[in-house]
Amino acid sequence: AQKVTQAQTEISVVEKEDVTLDCVYETRDTTYYLFWYKQPPSGELVFLIRRNSFDEQNEISGRYSWNFQKSTSSFNFTITASQVVDSAVYFCAKTDSNYQLIWGAGTKLIIKP
Amino acid sequence: EAQVTQNPRYLITVTGKKLTVTCSQNMNHEYMSWYRQDPGLGLRQIYYSMNVEVTDKGDVPEGYKVSRKEKRNFPLILESPSPNQTSLYFCASSPSAPTGGEQYFGPGTRLTVT
Repeated sequence: AQKVTQAQTEISVVEKEDVTLDCVYETRDTTYYLFWYKQPPSGELVFLIRRNSFDEQNEISGRYSWNFQKSTSSFNFTITASQVVDSAVYFCAKTDSNYQLIWGAGTKLIIKP
Repeated sequence: EAQVTQNPRYLITVTGKKLTVTCSQNMNHEYMSWYRQDPGLGLRQIYYSMNVEVTDKGDVPEGYKVSRKEKRNFPLILESPSPNQTSLYFCASSPSAPTGGEQYFGPGTRLTVT
């Protein structure tokens, strides 16, 4: 079965540090989509980004950046100059061959002031 | 305001007592889905619906039923809940299948089955 692995269960850094959240996936598909979602302590799920498998350009949005490497089946997420408000659980997800999402287990990010 | 609503938000029930968690969206979305979230497992899909009267099993459908009689509503039914269905449940909707982009999530329903 296809799988999305977020090996880092929990990461703790001090504010202003840069932090990278890893996401590795398994796939047999040539076309697929990758996602990151954020779940702050309040519990809602917030969409961050969608990427298709044909677009390997890295993306930057403010302090957030994403590095997609098809050769290593990875889609890592970096937060630059982290802030306390970035504290959340972050989920990586991928579409399967039925176009449904397979989710990683999530990485809990703690930003200490 | 565009939103996905779920009710109830919190529910404590006993084994075997049928319950329904409602989900409604006001964005005229074709696609709706139910997930459960458990510690260390992320989100797992229970059922999804590509359109009215069309529903399909996700990864963990056992013990659950759904229906999609109207576009806006997608209730989740537990006919005979068991303690292993204690979880946080999310309903989501989007204009089309997840490949199309962002899914919009409800606030979650925390279910405890004793």
